[in-house]
Amino acid sequence: SQQGEEDPQALSIQEGENATMNCSYKTSINNLQWYRQNSGRGLVHLILIRSNEREKHSGRLRVTLDTSKKSSSLLITASRAADTASYFCATRGYGQNFVFGPGTRLSVLP
Amino acid sequence: DTAVSQTPKYLVTQMGNDKSIKCEQNLGHDTMYWYKQDSKKFLKIMFSYNNKELIINETVPNRFSPKSPDKAHLNLHINSLELGDSAVYFCASSQELSVWNTEAFFGQGTRLTVV
Repeated sequence: SQQGEEDPQALSIQEGENATMNCSYKTSINNLQWYRQNSGRGLVHLILIRSNEREKHSGRLRVTLDTSKKSSSLLITASRAADTASYFCATRGYGQNFVFGPGTRLSVLP
Repeated sequence: DTAVSQTPKYLVTQMGNDKSIKCEQNLGHDTMYWYKQDSKKFLKIMFSYNNKELIINETVPNRFSPKSPDKAHLNLHINSLELGDSAVYFCASSQELSVWNTEAFFGQGTRLTVV
C-alpha cells in the first residue's frame, strides 16, 4: 500500500488565493518532502521537513508536519498561474526509498 | 547543465520488443533510482542502486533490469515489452551522506508507448 496520500486529488483556485494540500502517511519517517511536477516534466524538489521539525518556510511555501497524526500540509500563499502543477509528498524512513503519494493537481486560474 | 538526464524522451515501440532507457547524473550522487509513473500520475519505485546494493521492488517483473556501468549511470533494460508497460519512466539520484537532508533529483522522464 502507498505510504503517502495527498488530499485533495485536485484543487482549483483563483490567482492570489492560498492553496493548501495535505499528505498522510502510515509508517515512521525520517523526513517528508514535497515535490512539484509541471505537465510533461520531471519532479522538482520544493522543501524538506525533518521528523523532529513541526513547521518550515521557503518563500511562499509553508510546510507543517504532525508526526502524531502522521500528516503534513503544504500551503502556497498568494498563488500564481505558474504554480499550476501536480504536487507530491514523499516520505523517507531510515535507509528507505522515497515513497510518493498520488499527488494533488493544482490549477491556478488567472 | 542538466543534473539528471534521460534518453530518449519519447519511445514508441511494438509489443515484444526489447528496449533500453539511459540515465546519467553529473551530481556525483551515490544512489540512483528508477520510478514508473502510470496514467494516474502515481509514482512507484522500481529500483534503487548504489555502489553496494541493488534493491528491487518485488512487484517489478523480471523483464525489467537495471544496468549500472559506473556510478554516474543507471540504465533500464526492458525485455518483451507489453502494452501495460506504457508509462513515463523517471530516473532520479540522491546523495546518501545524510538521510536527514537527502532530496531526490529527477530526470525529465521517458514516455514509453507500447503499441
